Amino acid sequence: QVQLQESGPGLVKPSQTLSLTCTVSHGSISRGPYYWSWIRQPAGKGLEWIGRIYGTGSTDYSPSLKSRVTLSVDTSKNQFSLNLRSVSAADTAVYYCARVAGATTHFDFWGQGILVTVSS
Amino acid sequence: DIVMTQSPDSLAVSLGERATINCKSSQSLLFSSNNKNYLAWYQQKPGQPPKLLIYWASTRDSGVPVRFSGSGSGTDFTLTISSLQAEDVAVYYCQQYYSSPSYTFGQGTKLEIK
Repeated sequence: QVQLQESGPGLVKPSQTLSLTCTVSHGSISRGPYYWSWIRQPAGKGLEWIGRIYGTGSTDYSPSLKSRVTLSVDTSKNQFSLNLRSVSAADTAVYYCARVAGATTHFDFWGQGILVTVSS
Repeated sequence: DIVMTQSPDSLAVSLGERATINCKSSQSLLFSSNNKNYLAWYQQKPGQPPKLLIYWASTRDSGVPVRFSGSGSGTDFTLTISSLQAEDVAVYYCQQYYSSPSYTFGQGTKLEIK
C-alpha cells in the first residue's frame, strides 16, 4: 500500500521559509484520482489543513494560509513539497503529508509527521 | 468555513463497555444528489499520525475492527466503539469534506480507560 514520508529541517528561524518534502512510495503521485495534501498539528492541539495538490500541479490552499503557502510536485521523483513563508512561532507544529482519496473525500494515508520548530 | 464541534472533549469508559463520541457540523454534510454524508472519523494514538477509521459517515475503512461504527446524517454524527479495548485509547477526530477542498476537523475527543 502507498507510503508517505516527510523530510526537511526541524528548525526554522522566524521570518524565514519552512520547506518540507513528502516522498510517496508504492503509488504514483501523478495517477488520479488522488490529491496530495499537507496538514499540521501544533503540540497538544487539533489538525489544520494547509493545502493540496494534484499530479498535474493544480493547487488549493487554506484561505487562512494562502498568502504564505506554495505547494509543488515533482512527478519524476514522486514527491510533493510545501513552502511556508514568513514563519513565526505560531507555525511550530508537526507537519503531516497525506493522500486524499479523491476530489471530494477523505484522507486515506498519512505520513508519520515531522516536527518543525520556529525559533531563533 | 464549516465548523465541526465534538463532544465530549474527553471521555473515560471501562474496558468492554460502549464508548460514544459525538460530532456536530455547522451546516449539513448530506449531499442530496448522492445521499452521502461527507464525514470521516480518525483515530490518533500518541506519537502517531491520524488513522482513517470511517468515511461517508458509516463506511469502515479496510482492516478497522467491527466494534467501530459510525452513524448519523445531516449535521449530527456519532462514532461508537461497542466494546472498548485497551488499544482504543486515543484521540478521535471527525472531519468534513463537504466543502472540499476547505477541509475542517473537530477539536478532538480524548478517550481513556476508566
